[in-house]
Amino acid sequence: AQTVTQSQPEMSVQEAETVTLSCTYDTSESDYYLFWYKQPPSRQMILVIRQEAYKQQNATENRFSVNFQKAAKSFSLKISDSQLGDAAMYFCAYSSLTGTASKLTFGTGTRLQVTL
Amino acid sequence: GAGVSQSPSNKVTEKGKDVELRCDPISGHTALYWYRQSLGQGLEFLIYFQGNSAPDKSGLPSDRFSAERTGGSVSTLTIQRTQQEDSAVYLCASSLDIGRQPQHFGDGTRLSIL
Repeated sequence: AQTVTQSQPEMSVQEAETVTLSCTYDTSESDYYLFWYKQPPSRQMILVIRQEAYKQQNATENRFSVNFQKAAKSFSLKISDSQLGDAAMYFCAYSSLTGTASKLTFGTGTRLQVTL
Repeated sequence: GAGVSQSPSNKVTEKGKDVELRCDPISGHTALYWYRQSLGQGLEFLIYFQGNSAPDKSGLPSDRFSAERTGGSVSTLTIQRTQQEDSAVYLCASSLDIGRQPQHFGDGTRLSIL
């Protein structure tokens, strides 16, 4: 079974600065998806960025980018030019592409605070 | 609809009662997922549907939990004889299909068992 670990329960960043959230995972599969979801107090899970394992190039979405290290099974999220609206819980998630299983396996989350 | 819709938004009930949670997926999405988020924890998978069938029910925590989907659209998650440990936020997600399609989440139902 796959597992996802987020070792930082809380992080803090000043507005306009850069912060990196860590995520490691364990799997024996070679092809899979990795995701970062953001959950504000409204509870809705919002997809921030995703990475397919067979693609070597790191995914980027505006101020959000990932550092995907497949051999190390590491998938960190970098938020540049942090904004107050980035404050939320961030969850790293794994999705298998084997067979019909496409459920998401989540880490326990990192709460990000953004300060002035 | 424009997004995944869940109802009710909040539900408070007494221990031992049955509850039904509803999920209306994005129009045209064939895959539907239910997850549970307990306080201070990540999300855990409960069940998913491909059309009206549920190929993977492995996450349902006990036989008090069941789910159905009719017409390839709306899904209902039913919890019978609720217990206090069932208190959580129940999130629904849908995607165009299984596999490589991203999942889009609703706002969830916060269930509180007294």
